[in-house]
Amino acid sequence: QVQLVQSGAEVKKPGASVKVSCKASGYTFTGYYMHWVRQAPGQGLEWMGWINPNSGGTNYAQKFQGRVTMTRDTSISTAYMELSRLRSDDTAVYYCASSSIAARPDVYFDYWGQGTLVTVSS
Amino acid sequence: EIVLTQSPATLSLSPGERATLSCRASQSVSSYLAWYQQKPGQAPRLLIYDASNRATGIPARFSGSGSGTDFTLTISSLEPEDFAVYYCQQRSNWRSTFGQGTRLEIK
Repeated sequence: QVQLVQSGAEVKKPGASVKVSCKASGYTFTGYYMHWVRQAPGQGLEWMGWINPNSGGTNYAQKFQGRVTMTRDTSISTAYMELSRLRSDDTAVYYCASSSIAARPDVYFDYWGQGTLVTVSS
Repeated sequence: EIVLTQSPATLSLSPGERATLSCRASQSVSSYLAWYQQKPGQAPRLLIYDASNRATGIPARFSGSGSGTDFTLTISSLEPEDFAVYYCQQRSNWRSTFGQGTRLEIK
């Protein structure tokens, strides 16, 4: 069965960077785009972008351009999301999410990681 | 960026009643719209895709309709486990967006 397992909670100071990992299993990692979605406390879902695990190509939401970097390591079926120049309003649960539809970036999300809480506080 | 606006923000109903949730897009998304359910402390769960198709394992009391800019999620008869937050999402281009959510609470 498909599983997305994310790294643990992080506490960072303003101005620092955070890198969250998402290890995939139960399917061919390079066949399905990986997306990242975040959710601030008590707030809604916010799409951040995707990475094509096959090519490494990326597409980011305009809001995060210049601050987010999505990468992958195909040898260990793991995707990464790094967010830099953290601010207090970046405090959120960060999810990786994927689809049952192969080789397309424009998808719905059948599969979700368990979420990683990133807290930005001085 | 395509903006999705959900209404109402909060809906208060009793078990057994019918729920109707709305999602409006700032421009046409054709039928490329999904609905998710999220309960506290959990990741969202896909309910409906391409406006009207139920995802695997979703009960028949959930239905979706609409196209273009106006979409509706209907829950025909509310069960206790249906009280949660519901989000719509569009996939009409390579940059997805979500609505701000509708909280369905017990009256």
